[in-house]
Amino acid sequence: KAGVTQTPRYLIKTRGQQVTLSCSPISGHRSVSWYQQTPGQGLQFLFEYFSETQRNKGNFPGRFSGRQFSNSRSEMNVSTLELGDSALYLCASSLGLVGGTDTQYFGPGTRLTVL
Amino acid sequence: AQTVTQSQPEMSVQEAETVTLSCTYDTSESDYYLFWYKQPPSRQMILVIRQEAYKQQNATENRFSVNFQKAAKSFSLKISDSQLGDAAMYFCAYSRGYQLIWGAGTKLIIKP
Repeated sequence: KAGVTQTPRYLIKTRGQQVTLSCSPISGHRSVSWYQQTPGQGLQFLFEYFSETQRNKGNFPGRFSGRQFSNSRSEMNVSTLELGDSALYLCASSLGLVGGTDTQYFGPGTRLTVL
Repeated sequence: AQTVTQSQPEMSVQEAETVTLSCTYDTSESDYYLFWYKQPPSRQMILVIRQEAYKQQNATENRFSVNFQKAAKSFSLKISDSQLGDAAMYFCAYSRGYQLIWGAGTKLIIKP
């Protein structure tokens, strides 16, 4: 079974631009979660989608948004990029069991650099 | 608030030896899940082991095992017969609803 895939793997943008990252979950998984990883803040939860609905959201500004499609693929968008948005963005998929009791499997990440 | 603490920023171990990574967490919930993930230089986050809080038996996966002390809120990872491929950042995580709460990580160095 294919793992979680993320595209693109690397991105370079300038301040003020917007960016869209894509994540394709493991076949059969209906939940997709997004995390931001930075040297200073570590790993932080952005949001989680299940059946095209956002079930949970972390403490990030409204510039960070996401969506999920009917095939469970997910995208996250960051508008008006800031230097501090430079990070590794990780996507994870799971079955999406009630209460979040299942295991999350991660993609290789997208490295975003904002200049 | 739920928090996860990994007090060892870096650990080193001789190849073939055993090493234990520490993790403590804070929660008021009685039923939850704990994980250890490893992140090698490739940055791919890989599941190492999972523990359900309602299970008293410690989880084991080949050379990896945990020492889960629920009352002490401690969840340490023991790696036996360390191999060069075990070199990575190791993260302890607590499952809270639909999100994972992460520790800061421990960098594990394997000395040949």
